[in-house]
Amino acid sequence: AQRVTQPEKLLSVFKGAPVELKCNYSYSGSPELFWYVQYSRQRLQLLLRHISRESIKGFTADLNKGETSFHLKKPFAQEEDSAMYYCALSNDYKLSFGAGTTVTVRA
Amino acid sequence: SAVISQKPSRDICQRGTSLTIQCQVDSQVTMMFWYRQQPGQSLTLIATANQGSEATYESGFVIDKFPISRPNLTFSTLTVSNMSPEDSSIYLCSVDTGTPIEAFFGQGTRLTVV
Repeated sequence: AQRVTQPEKLLSVFKGAPVELKCNYSYSGSPELFWYVQYSRQRLQLLLRHISRESIKGFTADLNKGETSFHLKKPFAQEEDSAMYYCALSNDYKLSFGAGTTVTVRA
Repeated sequence: SAVISQKPSRDICQRGTSLTIQCQVDSQVTMMFWYRQQPGQSLTLIATANQGSEATYESGFVIDKFPISRPNLTFSTLTVSNMSPEDSSIYLCSVDTGTPIEAFFGQGTRLTVV
């Protein structure tokens, strides 16, 4: 069975500080992993996908199959990064979500 | 991309009644999904609704409780039947446009059962 774990429910950082959101997964096949974000009063939306190996809004995430992790990182947090972040794993287009991490960036 | 409209955005219902949630997409999509987000919890997949076939339900969800319709490639409904306070949740419609994989979500329906 597949499972996504986000150990931190809340994360508070100061503006300009680095931020890292942890995500671990268990999956028997080759995983397709994503980070979704929900800003206040907005709908859930894709932030980035591991297969693209891209940087979006300064965020990056590297898939580490040895550690079964897909941590999200940004070197310098901005106030507009305050949001709920979900790590998700796709199996045949069906998504399994982690519990989510609420990030607050303080001025 | 896909833009999804969900109705209603919120509702307060009496226990024992049923509520039908509508999901309209601005383009034709094969795969539509319904998720539930209980208070303080993450999103859980209820079922997959593909046009032309019966919905496929995940473990713990049954058709009698959550009947789904998918009459065409742009529309789906989810009914929450015989509601109890435990059904109070946010229900989300989602579509995936295929390649690359990217799920698009409706704004959700916040349901409160009293």
